[in-house]
Amino acid sequence: EIVMTQSPATLSVSPGERATLSCRASQSISSNLAWYQQRPGQAPRLLIYGASTRATGVPARFSGSGSGTEFSLTISSLQSEDFAVYYCQQYSNWPPYTFGQGTKLEIK
Amino acid sequence: EVQLLDSGGGFIQPGGSLRLSCAASGFTFSSYAMAWVRQAPGKTLEWVSTISAGGGTTYYADSVKGRFTISRDNSKNTLYLQMSSLRGEDTATYYCAKYHGNTWDLFDYWGQGTLVTVSS
Repeated sequence: EIVMTQSPATLSVSPGERATLSCRASQSISSNLAWYQQRPGQAPRLLIYGASTRATGVPARFSGSGSGTEFSLTISSLQSEDFAVYYCQQYSNWPPYTFGQGTKLEIK
Repeated sequence: EVQLLDSGGGFIQPGGSLRLSCAASGFTFSSYAMAWVRQAPGKTLEWVSTISAGGGTTYYADSVKGRFTISRDNSKNTLYLQMSSLRGEDTATYYCAKYHGNTWDLFDYWGQGTLVTVSS
């Protein structure tokens, strides 16, 4: 089973600033990585797939990068609606699909 | 507009059974594999099960294998999860999820979730 590790667990950033979240895979997953956003009380929402492709309707301030075992999600200028929990998911080697433990992005 | 409506959750005693449903609309349900993903309170997401578009192929997480059964009725555009021998560690919000494309990779739409609480 591939283990996904996200860091940091919590990130405090001010609105308008840039945020960078990290995700590491326990073995190479090529670019088979997705990022999801989950706001309180809501279902996850797909943001990024293929490590760097934005899903339909996702604002351009969200960008993903990386391949192999190291990945990152960057939000260029934080808006109020961006403060949420973010999860990475690998789909390279399944079953099982595995998710990271999440990064909570909070207002500083 | 794609919509997935989860239902069937509730409070159940350990050892009991429950069936979850997910009513789909806004896309050709019979063309897509579907999955169930759960989230225990305050925890991360955990993939539970996957079923092929036609229903003939299924996969399960080791934690639920032999206890849960995924199925679908393409004539009713509905996905199901039959859960039996429920344990406290099955307590979670259960989401149905649609696969992004023809490959079984990631989930582009999710239901709103239905909460299952297993407790005596």
